[in-house]
Amino acid sequence: SQQGEEDPQALSIQEGENATMNCSYKTSINNLQWYRQNSGRGLVHLILIRSNEREKHSGRLRVTLDTSKKSSSLLITASRAADTASYFCATGPRQGGSEKLVFGKGTKLTVNP
Amino acid sequence: DGGITQSPKYLFRKEGQNVTLSCEQNLNHDAMYWYRQDPGQGLRLIYYSQIVNDFQKGDIAEGYSVSREKKESFPLTVTSAQKNPTAFYLCASSMNRGEKLFFGSGTQLSVL
Repeated sequence: SQQGEEDPQALSIQEGENATMNCSYKTSINNLQWYRQNSGRGLVHLILIRSNEREKHSGRLRVTLDTSKKSSSLLITASRAADTASYFCATGPRQGGSEKLVFGKGTKLTVNP
Repeated sequence: DGGITQSPKYLFRKEGQNVTLSCEQNLNHDAMYWYRQDPGQGLRLIYYSQIVNDFQKGDIAEGYSVSREKKESFPLTVTSAQKNPTAFYLCASSMNRGEKLFFGSGTQLSVL
């Protein structure tokens, strides 16, 4: 399976601190995506990074991808209480479309005010 | 507002009963998906449809059925054959062969 595995499973920080979450996967990918899920809600797409990219930014989010290590990290800078949510990585394989996206189990982030 | 609407938000099933979860989108997306999420787990694909009147089984299709008679609608039926249906069900859509998924707000299904 090429399922992404997030690390850590849970993370608790203070408001203003940075939060880093990691994702590892097993096989070659076309892209890697990060999603956010508030408790009891649907997922929201945050960012997509392609296999030929190494780093991508979106506002306070920074994603890196190391295909040699088959890993990615999501950094949230200057965290806010509203960032409290679960964060999932999803890997898109080289063959196939969105139906082939494989989701990890997520990192539960708590930002304390 | 464009988006995906799932209903109901909460649903209870009696033993032996079939129940249907609704998913409607007005994003004009070709592809639609159903996922199951169990506590502390990632999403698992149940069924997907890339075009009207066509759909494919995902990784855990047993005990579920779908239809795609309209582009906007992709209802999921949880049949009595699904012995462990308690879970959070998420509907999503994407542009045809698109990479980014748009999700609804989910339906929590529980067994009475």
